[in-house]
Amino acid sequence: DQQVKQNSPSLSVQEGRISILNCDYTNSMFDYFLWYKKYPAEGPTFLISISSIKDKNEDGRFTVFLNKSAKHLSLHIVPSQPGDSAVYFCAASYGNKLVFGAGTILRVKS
Amino acid sequence: NAGVMQNPRHLVRRRGQEARLRCSPVKGHSHVYWYRQLPEEGLKFMVYLQKENIIDESGMPKERFSAEFPKEGPSILRIQQVVRGDSAAYFCASSQTANRNNSPLHFGNGTRLTVT
Repeated sequence: DQQVKQNSPSLSVQEGRISILNCDYTNSMFDYFLWYKKYPAEGPTFLISISSIKDKNEDGRFTVFLNKSAKHLSLHIVPSQPGDSAVYFCAASYGNKLVFGAGTILRVKS
Repeated sequence: NAGVMQNPRHLVRRRGQEARLRCSPVKGHSHVYWYRQLPEEGLKFMVYLQKENIIDESGMPKERFSAEFPKEGPSILRIQQVVRGDSAAYFCASSQTANRNNSPLHFGNGTRLTVT
């Protein structure tokens, strides 16, 4: 039962352009959403989060949008940089549960 | 400030052997989580522990797998009689509280288990 889905396994973007990573969820109990970034041979690192009472949260080049009615969230990276190349995991939580998507590989070409 | 420390980074075991994976959480964190990542898949929750107590083990296989987080020392994930399907990256994470809203998980760099 995949409660958090990242349907794009990979995304390739030119340096300086916008990267948009998408995530869908099925469980209405989720009330907090997070994005993690992971480099090869390292653990995931927390990037940005959003509460279900908000629809947007911004931190520098990173913005997360939440559409509760569509059960959809997205991460926007503007402008994209080569160092952003990594695997991005969407995660959703309620209580002590934290459920991850399968990840999207982002490649930023210079 | 040391982050979450996991060791070993790589572990090779033959089928039938035991694997012990260790995790020292961030100093001051009393909540520990174990996740498993199979090839081409996301992180799958296994178990959540809070000092000496297992809070949620709903993601852990009923047999061969066990976890502990003693009062002193690291958290241990133990896999008995390993099989090839146990080959994966095992990540430990810790947090200061159980509230995800103000306490994101901090992950270690994982232990890559290979069963031959």
